[in-house]
Amino acid sequence: DAKTTQPPSMDCAEGRAANLPCNHSTISGNEYVYWYRQIHSQGPQYIIHGLKNNETNEMASLIITEDRKSSTLILPHATLRDTAVYYCIVRPRGYKYIFGTGTRLKVLA
Amino acid sequence: SQTIHQWPATLVQPVGSPLSLECTVEGTSNPNLYWYRQAAGRGLQLLFYSVGIGQISSEVPQNLSASRPQDRQFILSSKKLLLSDSGFYLCAWIGQGLAGNTIYFGEGSWLTVV
Repeated sequence: DAKTTQPPSMDCAEGRAANLPCNHSTISGNEYVYWYRQIHSQGPQYIIHGLKNNETNEMASLIITEDRKSSTLILPHATLRDTAVYYCIVRPRGYKYIFGTGTRLKVLA
Repeated sequence: SQTIHQWPATLVQPVGSPLSLECTVEGTSNPNLYWYRQAAGRGLQLLFYSVGIGQISSEVPQNLSASRPQDRQFILSSKKLLLSDSGFYLCAWIGQGLAGNTIYFGEGSWLTVV
């Protein structure tokens, strides 16, 4: 399974864009990149996923580099409610979902 | 729509006592089911997953066990709890057969072993 590397923590000013990086240099061609976030004392919540192309939904945008070895989750206008731990994971076609330690994002007023 | 429930939400158990956490999924059939544990301030650790009734894969050797007696029921158990078993336990599911499917989590169960 491809492993992911994320910075342990980041700060972002409220109203600004939050850019969360993820390195997945060992990703293989059929593995998807998924992003989840976990607010304290809750289960992780799905945000977005992609394979090759950039993706956007109502929550965020996902930018995947052309070589697919890294990606960036963008929260365009961060709010205090976006304070959470963000997980980047690589989803193989098998059964395992392995989460790393994630990035603790703190949105500052 | 699909929903996932797990209980109890919180429990405090003495060392050496048994444990049973239950998880059920509604609105889907033949899901893949997962148990994760999260120690305080740590990431999510995959404990068990199941792709069908009676089929259990263990990821981490420990004094916990899992069972899947019915298609949409997943149970996490222990015969004798240790202090190190304290944590936040999460049940999760994904659908079968779709390449890019997402995983959905229950509300979680807080276990404190004293």
